[in-house]
Amino acid sequence: DAGVIQSPRHEVTEMGQEVTLRCKPISGHNSLFWYRQTMMRGLELLIYFNNNVPIDDSGMPEDRFSAKMPNASFSTLKIQPSEPRDSAVYFCASRGQSITEAFFGQGTRLTVV
Amino acid sequence: DAKTTQPNSMESNEEEPVHLPCNHSTISGTDYIHWYRQLPSQGPEYVIHGLTSNVNNRMASLAIAEDRKSSTLILHRATLRDAAVYYCIPLLNTGGFKTIFGAGTRLFVKA
Repeated sequence: DAGVIQSPRHEVTEMGQEVTLRCKPISGHNSLFWYRQTMMRGLELLIYFNNNVPIDDSGMPEDRFSAKMPNASFSTLKIQPSEPRDSAVYFCASRGQSITEAFFGQGTRLTVV
Repeated sequence: DAKTTQPNSMESNEEEPVHLPCNHSTISGTDYIHWYRQLPSQGPEYVIHGLTSNVNNRMASLAIAEDRKSSTLILHRATLRDAAVYYCIPLLNTGGFKTIFGAGTRLFVKA
């Protein structure tokens, strides 16, 4: 299994541009998480899907952020418009049916200039 | 959400055991206790989890207090590769078992 796959690994964009981060969870997993990590705030849970349905999006910072999971094998996190304070590493993770471990992707390092 | 308290940092010598403590006094009876670690420049990785009994796996051991208000992650022989941030995470039944990270403990391992 290739694990959780995130793309791109690095993204540099200008303030005001739209940014789309992508995640392919592990096949068969039914829970998906998006996190953001910064030095100041650590690892923050942004949104949590179960069976492709958003369960808790209380961590999404503001309306500029949106996430979708159109099917069990793909999710996107979109920032529109992007701002310099959105610069962070964004992680996607997936988990199977039983309450065991979540598997994390390698992350996308986003820099907004 | 259940609050956790972990030391900001700990230091160990290579080849020695390390005991990483975590207080989770507000945990409820059906909440699991998970531990993850994050190596430099990588995503978090699962280490171990438990509910009531002590647990062992190839990476570590987890000792859970009888009242479940605290737990200790035990690395039996620390190596330089174990230098990481270790997170203790209560997985809340009422929270839909979402995984929420605190600040964790940064473990330094000296050769």
